[in-house]
Amino acid sequence: TQLLEQSPQFLSIQEGENLTVYCNSSSVFSSLQWYRQEPGEGPVLLVTVVTGGEVKKLKRLTFQFGDARKDSSLHITAAQPGDTGLYLCAGAGGNTNAGKSTFGDGTTLTVKP
Amino acid sequence: KAGVTQTPRYLIKTRGQQVTLSCSPISGHRSVSWYQQTPGQGLQFLFEYFSETQRNKGNFPGRFSGRQFSNSRSEMNVSTLELGDSALYLCASSFLGTATGELFFGEGSRLTVL
Repeated sequence: TQLLEQSPQFLSIQEGENLTVYCNSSSVFSSLQWYRQEPGEGPVLLVTVVTGGEVKKLKRLTFQFGDARKDSSLHITAAQPGDTGLYLCAGAGGNTNAGKSTFGDGTTLTVKP
Repeated sequence: KAGVTQTPRYLIKTRGQQVTLSCSPISGHRSVSWYQQTPGQGLQFLFEYFSETQRNKGNFPGRFSGRQFSNSRSEMNVSTLELGDSALYLCASSFLGTATGELFFGEGSRLTVL
């Protein structure tokens, strides 16, 4: 069974601060996705990373895929209250993934004004 | 382009009853997958349907079943409900399937079992 471990599990910061969320696995994935989920809603896809070492930017969010395609990070610059939510990473296409996406347990981010 | 639609959004059932949840995927998407989300277990994969065939199944008991229709709409059914089945059930639509990763989720069906 492939596991994706996210850290930290909870994060509470003030508006304007920077933060990094980590997603780690011992397994290799073909691609990795990051989603954000707000209370009462389904997860929304933010980004897909495919190539080892790849870096993608989405406004104040920077996503990086590890060189070995086993881990990823999400960095948010100057966080805003609107960034509050549950951040989920998901790995797809791994050796033992059996054709499905495996999700991490998520990082709950609270940004206080 | 309309998103993924799940119905009903909220429902309350009692132990022993059964429930059917519905999901309409994004137009053109042939893959529909279902996930159970609980605070303690996170998102757990239930099953995936692609072109009316179950392509993959997670580690859930046989009380959980699903199907997909020719128009790609999908239903999942849970029989003999237990208290532990209380969860947010999420449907995800994909063009190529869950193995490729990019999933588009509905807002979920919140099931409470009393």
